[in-house]
Amino acid sequence: QQPVQSPQAVILREGEDAVINCSSSKALYSVHWYRQKHGEAPVFLMILLKGGEQKGHEKISASFNEKKQQSSLYLTASQLSYSGTYFCGIYNRGNQFYFGTGTSLTVIP
Amino acid sequence: DTAVSQTPKYLVTQMGNDKSIKCEQNLGHDTMYWYKQDSKKFLKIMFSYNNKELIINETVPNRFSPKSPDKAHLNLHINSLELGDSAVYFCASSQGVPGNNQPQHFGDGTRLSIL
Repeated sequence: QQPVQSPQAVILREGEDAVINCSSSKALYSVHWYRQKHGEAPVFLMILLKGGEQKGHEKISASFNEKKQQSSLYLTASQLSYSGTYFCGIYNRGNQFYFGTGTSLTVIP
Repeated sequence: DTAVSQTPKYLVTQMGNDKSIKCEQNLGHDTMYWYKQDSKKFLKIMFSYNNKELIINETVPNRFSPKSPDKAHLNLHINSLELGDSAVYFCASSQGVPGNNQPQHFGDGTRLSIL
């Protein structure tokens, strides 16, 4: 039931872009995105609902394709502060919440 | 000002002991959660309570027992601690019922180490 994220890890230089993917084997009704910095709690970024809408947070945006049962997170012109582990999260039909496998993002100067 | 607070922040104890972790939220949320994050950073839901009632109980050992005295508090009691229980435990809360697509707010976590 746990969504699978790719890549597992990515290293970027400041100013570069990245895409993180989240795929589910089950039908998706919504996708949540969180970021967790090292040693800290996960922090909510955004929620995407059915309909393919894109949402944004700073220079971070996301898309949701319910037909493909996947969501992608786009980080544009990355900053050092973007470093952390990104998790997608989904609810299944039984309203159980599952976090994805996580993607570690490191931004270097 | 702290929205979701957990105590203690660190817990070091021996195998076989019983311990409790407390969680309180002052956001007025109706639902509270417990998550376990292992050394590989996987975040797994353990329990979810809505207005003091258990909504989700993932397959966790019955050594783990959540208790919610009121909707602002969700405590986690663990009996007969095992080495595999070493992890970071996060409490979280959200508005409304699970599945209504409200963001979850997390506490700072409790780092449990079993010797």
